[in-house]
Amino acid sequence: EPEVTQTPSHQVTQMGQEVILRCVPISNHLYFYWYRQILGQKVEFLVSFYNNEISEKSEIFDDQFSVERPDGSNFTLKIRSTKLEDSAMYFCASNRDGSTDTQYFGPGTRLTVL
Amino acid sequence: EDQVTQSPEALRLQEGESSSLNCSYTVSGLRGLFWYRQDPGKGPEFLFTLYSAGEEKEKERLKATLTKKESFLHITAPKPEDSATYLCAVRPKTYSGNTGKLIFGQGTTLQVKP
Repeated sequence: EPEVTQTPSHQVTQMGQEVILRCVPISNHLYFYWYRQILGQKVEFLVSFYNNEISEKSEIFDDQFSVERPDGSNFTLKIRSTKLEDSAMYFCASNRDGSTDTQYFGPGTRLTVL
Repeated sequence: EDQVTQSPEALRLQEGESSSLNCSYTVSGLRGLFWYRQDPGKGPEFLFTLYSAGEEKEKERLKATLTKKESFLHITAPKPEDSATYLCAVRPKTYSGNTGKLIFGQGTTLQVKP
């Protein structure tokens, strides 16, 4: 069964450094998402992406964040200058039809900012 | 404001002891309610999608129901392997189009003891 995959599983970085989190969505899916979950808190929506552009972004997704689909399979989240409060699990998700279809989540990347 | 509240926060059951988890929601137009299971350190795993009041879905020991204000996840004769956090999420209608954003509740952590 097709799955969403994410790399790395764990990323440790120093405050102020740039990180890129990578995702490979399910191959026939067209809508892509990033969510984050701070330890002990709710899963929070960051951004949705369709047809090579951002469809919607949350207040969390400020100028430090960017997303890209650099090729036909990868979907990336970049944080330009990490802060301590960016430490969280970051989940990628995808679906075929953004308005009605179930989103399938990847296993997550644990980001630790020191 | 769109909001999802789950109760209880934590639930301990003996193996075989049936119970229900609640998800109350306030949303400006519902385009789907989703139940996910999340194991520690993992991504949300899809269980059910419900679209309209009165709808029910069933899978093994789990049954999800939906009304206009809440959803229930009924667990019949649970086993220790059902121990996990169960997440409820809603997809609201948005004025910016069908972006697919999910709004999550904080989850119910279920522990089933043998």
